[in-house]
Amino acid sequence: EVQLVESGGGLVQPGGSLRLSCAASGFLFSSTWMGWVRQPPGRGLEWVANIKTDGSRTYYLDSVKGRFTFSRDNAKNSVYLQMDSLRVEDTAVYYCVRHGDYTFDYWGQGTLVTVSS
Amino acid sequence: DIVMTQTPLSLPVTLGQSASISCTSSQSLVTSDGRTFLSWFHQRPGQPPRLLIYKVSYRLSGVPDRFSGSGAGTDFTLRISRVEAEDVGLYYCMQASQVPWTFGQGTKVEVK
Repeated sequence: EVQLVESGGGLVQPGGSLRLSCAASGFLFSSTWMGWVRQPPGRGLEWVANIKTDGSRTYYLDSVKGRFTFSRDNAKNSVYLQMDSLRVEDTAVYYCVRHGDYTFDYWGQGTLVTVSS
Repeated sequence: DIVMTQTPLSLPVTLGQSASISCTSSQSLVTSDGRTFLSWFHQRPGQPPRLLIYKVSYRLSGVPDRFSGSGAGTDFTLRISRVEAEDVGLYYCMQASQVPWTFGQGTKVEVK
């Protein structure tokens, strides 16, 4: 059974940092692209970032480029999202997602990030 | 960026009847190699989204066959035949033909 378990969310002040983690199981992690999608409270979905199987390529939403860093550790079946210089508008539930055939075929339960003073 | 527009935003349905949601993209989703990457997701309150349909019309394993997807170019449709109570919630389309991958704003399906 595919499982994606996020952790690391919480309350942070504007300008602060958080590191999200996602532990994956139930599939061949090292052969799978991974991603993050976020959802502000009461609003729609927004793709944030993708990472290639070996971590050699990453893609980011323009509004997070230079502030967020997506990485992975295939030995630990985990991905990480380092979020720096956080803004109020980054407040959202962040979902770890598995890439399927040009889609997101599995989603974690999400972790809430709140940026507020 | 490609803008995805869903209609309607709210869809009251009668259990046992069919329902359709439209999704229109601001530009064609056909890639240079002729493929089209359009997905549909369902999200129940308090739950993460769940993939229903990918590549326009491919149903994910385990998704009931009352869900079907169709369309081409810029116009796509999700159809739910014989709506059941568990089908209520938000439905999102998403394009993956061009980075950044973008979602529609969501359609809320509720029982009349």
